[in-house]
Amino acid sequence: KQEVTQIPAALSVPEGENLVLNCSFTDSAIYNLQWFRQDPGKGLTSLLLIQSSQREQTSGRLNASLDKSSGRSTLYIAASQPGDSATYLCAVGGTDKLIFGTGTRLQVFP
Amino acid sequence: GAGVSQSPSNKVTEKGKDVELRCDPISGHTALYWYRQSLGQGLEFLIYFQGNSAPDKSGLPSDRFSAERTGGSVSTLTIQRTQQEDSAVYLCASSLFLAGAFSTDTQYFGPGTRLTVL
Repeated sequence: KQEVTQIPAALSVPEGENLVLNCSFTDSAIYNLQWFRQDPGKGLTSLLLIQSSQREQTSGRLNASLDKSSGRSTLYIAASQPGDSATYLCAVGGTDKLIFGTGTRLQVFP
Repeated sequence: GAGVSQSPSNKVTEKGKDVELRCDPISGHTALYWYRQSLGQGLEFLIYFQGNSAPDKSGLPSDRFSAERTGGSVSTLTIQRTQQEDSAVYLCASSLFLAGAFSTDTQYFGPGTRLTVL
């Protein structure tokens, strides 16, 4: 059974810092991995999708990497801003559903 | 274009009542998913529809839960005889299913329906 773990569970940093959020999964037989952000009381916003054949994806200040063999993904946030404050979720994808991690709650203070 | 929409945004009901939650996926998306997010817990997969194929119901927590998708578009999640442990945010997502691919594309989520069972 696939299990997805995210570390740290919570993170509080001053504005401007570069951050790394970690995601690990137990079964390397995945088709893709997706990172989301969730704002309080809101739905999920897709940030990046990495297919299993890819190593990384970039969008603006965000960079996500995938190492299937070791069961790990990282989300790198450059020059963090208060607007980045949210919960970040990683999810590993099979043919029909996503298995989500428990999330990292990020707070960026001015 | 319009994203995934869900209704109602909030639903308060009494224990034992039936509820229906609605999801309108992004136009053209053939795959539709329901997830549940309980307080303090992660997102839990419930059910998946792909085109006109029979749905994958493996994640439904009990036989009180059912879902249908009419005309390959709108979906309704029904919970019968609601219990307090059904209280959660119910999220719907949709995605393209790329022809020839082994997996779906990016999943786009709706804002969710917050269900409270008193």
